Amino acid sequence: AIRITQSPSSLSASTGDRVTITCRASQSISSYLAWYQQKPGKAPKLLIYAASTLQGGVPSRFSGSGSGTDFTLTISWLQSEDFATYYCQQYYTYPPLTFGGGTKVEIK
Amino acid sequence: EVHLLESGGVLVQPGGSLRLSCAASAFTFNSAAMSWVRQAPGKGLEWVSSISGSGGTKYYADSVKGRFTISRDNSKNTLYLQMNNLRGGDTAIYYCAKDRSPSVAGTGTFDYWGQGTLVTVSS
Repeated sequence: AIRITQSPSSLSASTGDRVTITCRASQSISSYLAWYQQKPGKAPKLLIYAASTLQGGVPSRFSGSGSGTDFTLTISWLQSEDFATYYCQQYYTYPPLTFGGGTKVEIK
Repeated sequence: EVHLLESGGVLVQPGGSLRLSCAASAFTFNSAAMSWVRQAPGKGLEWVSSISGSGGTKYYADSVKGRFTISRDNSKNTLYLQMNNLRGGDTAIYYCAKDRSPSVAGTGTFDYWGQGTLVTVSS
């Protein structure tokens, strides 16, 4: 199975900051990577698929980049509602689908 | 508005069985691949199983293969997960999720999720 290593596992940031989260796949997954946001007690929400395509309704301050093995989620101007845990997920091989370990974005 | 509502999560003893249901509405259910994803308390997301829109193709994680069975009733717009020989490691919130792609086979990305149902395996 393809392993996804996500970093950092947590970070502290302030409103207005630019935040970057990375995921590295254990082998090339082309652009078959998605990003999800999860708030406490809630289900995950799809933000980005195909590494860089924004899901409908997602604010443009979210962006994704990368291909092959290295990927990045960037929040360009962190808002209060963005404090959450973020997960990347590969869907190049299916099955199995695999998720990164998550990055918790906390208020500094 | 697409809606997914899971039910069936309870406290069950190790070795026991349970069937989860996910009632879907506001989309063409028989055209959508569906999946179950679980999250152990305080942990990350783990894909469990997926089924094509027709029900003819099913996939399982190695951790549940041979113990869990995914199925669907397209006449009732309902997804199921039959869970047998449950273990402590199966304790988690179980989410049903709709595949983003309109293709029957799906892509493995999920645009709608239910609120989850908690399964606790403990004696």
